[in-house]
Amino acid sequence: NAGVMQNPRHLVRRRGQEARLRCSPMKGHSHVYWYRQLPEEGLKFMVYLQKENIIDESGMPKERFSAEFPKEGPSILRIQQVVRGDSAAYFCASSPPKGSSTEQYFGPGTRLTVT
Amino acid sequence: AQTVTQSQPEMSVQEAETVTLSCTYDTSESDYYLFWYKQPPSRQMILVIRQEAYKQQNATENRFSVNFQKAAKSFSLKISDSQLGDAAMYFCAYRSSGGYQKVTFGTGTKLQVIP
Repeated sequence: NAGVMQNPRHLVRRRGQEARLRCSPMKGHSHVYWYRQLPEEGLKFMVYLQKENIIDESGMPKERFSAEFPKEGPSILRIQQVVRGDSAAYFCASSPPKGSSTEQYFGPGTRLTVT
Repeated sequence: AQTVTQSQPEMSVQEAETVTLSCTYDTSESDYYLFWYKQPPSRQMILVIRQEAYKQQNATENRFSVNFQKAAKSFSLKISDSQLGDAAMYFCAYRSSGGYQKVTFGTGTKLQVIP
């Protein structure tokens, strides 16, 4: 059973460009979480999604950031018009349907560098 | 809102010795989960150990054990017989037992293992 997959692992964007980060959850997992880790800091929750639904986006900046988890395909975290402050590692985690496990499995992260 | 505090930005330990990493948290909930994650230079988040708040017995995983003091809201990690491969950032984390699984992380402790 493959783990949580994230791609790309490294992404370089110029200021003003768009960044698209992808996350494929573990097989059988229907819950996806995105976290951001700024340099020298811990992970901060951004958004929680289930298939076709955003459940909690309280940690996500109101502007330029959006997330989706379509019925088919990976979850996408999209950052429009990136700025230098968006440079960070973005982690995705997935978990099974509620009640079947307490575990949240993390992907390897995508390191975004904005130049 | 829950908070997790790690007051030791950096720690060092001699190889084969024992080290304890500190963590305190704040919550009004009675049932929750606590975790220690390891993040090596590869940045992959690796679950080290997990503790359910309703269990009085401290969790252990091989050389890793915790000292869970619920009343004091303290959750320290003890690493015995430290190995060079233990060198990493260690994050303490909290998750509510009810609802969905948003995880709140501390700011991390960087552990150096001296040969």
